[in-house]
Amino acid sequence: KAGVTQTPRYLIKTRGQQVTLSCSPISGHRSVSWYQQTPGQGLQFLFEYFSETQRNKGNFPGRFSGRQFSNSRSEMNVSTLELGDSALYLCASRDRTNTGELFFGEGSRLTVL
Amino acid sequence: GQNIDQPTEMTATEGAIVQINCTYQTSGFNGLFWYQQHAGEAPTFLSYNVLDGLEEKGRFSSFLSRSKGYSYLLLKELQMKDSASYLCAGPNRDDKIIFGKGTRLHILP
Repeated sequence: KAGVTQTPRYLIKTRGQQVTLSCSPISGHRSVSWYQQTPGQGLQFLFEYFSETQRNKGNFPGRFSGRQFSNSRSEMNVSTLELGDSALYLCASRDRTNTGELFFGEGSRLTVL
Repeated sequence: GQNIDQPTEMTATEGAIVQINCTYQTSGFNGLFWYQQHAGEAPTFLSYNVLDGLEEKGRFSSFLSRSKGYSYLLLKELQMKDSASYLCAGPNRDDKIIFGKGTRLHILP
């Protein structure tokens, strides 16, 4: 079974721009969660999608948004980028019928200049 | 809030045993996960405790006390490759999986 795939792996943007990150979950997994990881704050929960619906949302401003498609692939978007948005964005999928273990992708490392 | 606390850094010697503690608010979480994350890599699942007690998986064991809001990860016969960050995480009532900031473990030869 292929793992969780995230694209792009690395990207550089400037303040004010927007960015879209993509995540393909493990086949059969319908839940996709997004996390922001920074050295100071660790992994912070952004949102979770299940069957194309946002189930949970973290404490991030409205500039952070996401969606999920019918094939369970998910995208997250950050608009009006700020320097503080520089981070590793991790996507994780899980099969809701078991323990709920998260399977992570390699992440998308965003640098905002 | 629903906080998960763990030490920031720990150091241990190759071949030794180390225990990484994690505390959380008892009213918030349904079980505890432990993940390992090597530098520059994705976190990988180590264990999930939903009931009280110790669960052993090879060199790694994880313990949970729900009444005390306490968990630990025990690593035995430490190897250099165990140098990594160890993340404690719990699913809250909304089933969001919330992570602690992680414990960076340094192994000395």
